[in-house]
Amino acid sequence: GAVVSQHPSRVICKSGTSVKIECRSLDFQATTMFWYRQFPKQSLMLMATSNEGSKATYEQGVEKDKFLINHASLTLSTLTVTSAHPEDSSFYICSARVPQGEAAFFGQGTRLTVV
Amino acid sequence: AQKVTQAQTEISVVEKEDVTLDCVYETRDTTYYLFWYKQPPSGELVFLIRRNSFDEQNEISGRYSWNFQKSTSSFNFTITASQVVDSAVYFCALSEPYDYKLSFGAGTTVTVRA
Repeated sequence: GAVVSQHPSRVICKSGTSVKIECRSLDFQATTMFWYRQFPKQSLMLMATSNEGSKATYEQGVEKDKFLINHASLTLSTLTVTSAHPEDSSFYICSARVPQGEAAFFGQGTRLTVV
Repeated sequence: AQKVTQAQTEISVVEKEDVTLDCVYETRDTTYYLFWYKQPPSGELVFLIRRNSFDEQNEISGRYSWNFQKSTSSFNFTITASQVVDSAVYFCALSEPYDYKLSFGAGTTVTVRA
């Protein structure tokens, strides 16, 4: 299947700092990527749709100023958690839509811990 | 609005037993995609299958099989002769066609004991 790479896989940061998470499509161009959040023992919830060359579309209840999404190229989308707080600690995972493909493929995920 | 229900929170079986995971969905769309993903303890999501709403044929892939019944809005997943490596959380998901913006069920944790 198509390869989506997410980095870092794990990050610990201090409260009040910002953290950037990268999502790359390695062997295809992705005009659309998706960011999900998963709290422990819960399901995945869509946060936003990242569109190359335009503003991201956020789901209801997701603060766009807190979760900055940039999709500057056809192979890279970034999620920046600004002024992180302990309640932002979660598992963040991206997916990329494969053009004319079978499915959306997911990155490995990033486990964020804010202390 | 789209909704996916996985009523089984946890299932525990002994190795070589079969296990069936239930998935019931709701959508107003006449065309949609259904998916199953596996999430092992490491966290990544492993794609297992995508089914188009127009294709009600059941599918078998090795020890995995899927039963899609549009009449009951169900897309159930069976693991035959389970193995310890099958232990994971399994998610059923739904999306509009060509969208891949997924609505996930709550997930079912499968534990296979040796």
